[in-house]
Amino acid sequence: AQSVTQLDSHVSVSEGTPVLLRCNYSSSYSPSLFWYVQHPNKGLQLLLKYTSAATLVKGINGFEAEFKKSETSFHLTKPSAHMSDAAEYFCVVSGDDTGGFKTIFGAGTRLFVKA
Amino acid sequence: DAMVIQNPRYQVTQFGKPVTLSCSQTLNHNVMYWYQQKSSQAPKLLFHYYDKDFNNEADTPDNFQSRRPNTSFCFLDIRSPGLGDAAMYLCATSSFSNEQFFGPGTRLTVL
Repeated sequence: AQSVTQLDSHVSVSEGTPVLLRCNYSSSYSPSLFWYVQHPNKGLQLLLKYTSAATLVKGINGFEAEFKKSETSFHLTKPSAHMSDAAEYFCVVSGDDTGGFKTIFGAGTRLFVKA
Repeated sequence: DAMVIQNPRYQVTQFGKPVTLSCSQTLNHNVMYWYQQKSSQAPKLLFHYYDKDFNNEADTPDNFQSRRPNTSFCFLDIRSPGLGDAAMYLCATSSFSNEQFFGPGTRLTVL
């Protein structure tokens, strides 16, 4: 069975400071991992994905994430927060050991950015 | 632009009155998904199709059904909506990479 845990329900940062959104996963195989962002009343947008290539993944809008198998983590970071980054962020695990497409979303982390 | 389209964007139905939500895609993806997202919660996978193969999540209520008549279209049928079924319903598609492309969603209100 697979699962995903986002360790913080809310994160608040000041504009221009680093962002860290934490995600741990559990899986008996090598899943695909994703981060999606959802702005209020908007659809889900893919930030970045890990699919067993490079462990450091760069995404859109300056975000990146590092896959650490030993820690079963896939934390999302950004060096400098912008006001427009305020949104809900979801860590997602997808796939299974049969090559299927089962998908589980983490509970989400709400990012607040203070001026 | 290739995309995922959901119709209608807003749907109001009465308690117990069947409703159908529509999703279409121009991406020619093999896999189509339906999610339910309640207010301030994460999307929850209801089921997905891999081509014509239907995969139901174990905890998806029987009240929810789906049809995929061809590659481009997928429908979500709610046979007898209850107040607890009010939510945003998201359709997504993917190819073999598992990267999912989401539609804008249909917000369902049950009166």
